[in-house]
This record gives sequence, C-alpha cells and structure tokens, in this order.
Amino acid sequence: ETGVTQTPRHLVMGMTNKKSLKCEQHLGHNAMYWYKQSAKKPLELMFVYSLEERVENNSVPSRFSPECPNSSHLFLHLHTLQPEDSALYLCASSQDRGRLGEKLFFGSGTQLSVL
Amino acid sequence: SQQGEEDPQALSIQEGENATMNCSYKTSINNLQWYRQNSGRGLVHLILIRSNEREKHSGRLRVTLDTSKKSSSLLITASRAADTASYFCATDSLSGYSTLTFGKGTMLLVSP
Repeated sequence: ETGVTQTPRHLVMGMTNKKSLKCEQHLGHNAMYWYKQSAKKPLELMFVYSLEERVENNSVPSRFSPECPNSSHLFLHLHTLQPEDSALYLCASSQDRGRLGEKLFFGSGTQLSVL
Repeated sequence: SQQGEEDPQALSIQEGENATMNCSYKTSINNLQWYRQNSGRGLVHLILIRSNEREKHSGRLRVTLDTSKKSSSLLITASRAADTASYFCATDSLSGYSTLTFGKGTMLLVSP
C-alpha cells in the first residue's frame, strides 16, 4: 500500500460516454501527477499539479480534463475518448515539485478500455 | 530527449541467479531512480542514485551510475520468483523540476 488510492480499478466505456477517474493520496504530499501507460511505450506524463495549481500540461487532448480540488484529491474527467486512449492511467504524488530527487508514489492505476 | 532506455526489453532467469538491467539516457541528470511494477499495478520506488555517486546498495539491489557513459545498471542478486516484475529507470533534469521521465522498462521473469 503506497498511500495513493485510485478508483475505479477497471473501466470500460464507449466513445460517447463521460466518466471520471479519481485519485486520493493520504501522504500529505503537495504535488500530484497523471501518467498514461500504454503497451510497449514509456510512461507518458499528462498533467502535474503543485499545491492545487496545474503546472504542467504535456499537450494532452482536451478530451482529458484534470481537476485538483485540494492537495489530496485529483480527478481526470474523460469524454468522447478514442480507442487509442485505452491504457493504464496512473496517478502519483510527491512531497513537493521543484525539489531534486523527489520520489513518486504511485497508485495501482485504472485500466481503461474504450470501445 | 531526457528519456531513459532500458536494456534488455525482457529477461528470463532461474531463481537464485543474478539479474542485471541497464539504462541509458541522453542528457545530463541530477538523479536517476529505479522503479518496479508488478503486472497491472502501480510503480514502486526502489532506489535513487545521485549524479555524484557511482554505486549504491539496498538489500539485494545494487545500482551503478556512469555519468560519462550516461548509463546505469540495476543488479538484483539471488533472485526470487517474487522479483518477477517490470523494472524502469527514471531520470530528472537539470532544470530542477522533479518531473521524472521514464523508459519502456525491462520485464524480468524469475522461474522457480
């Protein structure tokens, strides 16, 4: 147990659906991240939040919309996804962003399938 | 690109043998970290080595770093079936922000 909880663990959705992924961290960390992990590709950083402010957005399509209401919670809102968006979506947190050598603590991920 | 690249892509060994995985990266770093991922789960931090360190140990893990060759290796000694997982290296950048860049990973299979 890493102290980062993601729900749901699995999600199947159609291309016209709207769904949300949830991440909660119980570590008192100030930075939270969304990563996408597709087969045979490196982890792709999607979004970074530091103290509830979005500080990085790596050219992610607008059909992915993050929300960070407080430093413990992070959401990823999904709408009109494409089949190529099927992947494992990982949430992570770290004590701070901007300090060298930060370790990331990951949740177990949400395995998303878009039909 | 700052991306680390692990080698080999897959490694299959017997219990008790040692496993060595390598990571190469392209530009200068401050730190390099190794993570482990069990199938369908999140990544777990294993060890961090700083750019001014050459070798670090943690239990059965030994990490080396050669900044002149821009490479690192992770050695797992006396492997166990429970070590079966994917292993990733991750590098930071000299900009000071700790957004790590990960490689594709090495998939390790340890057979009993």
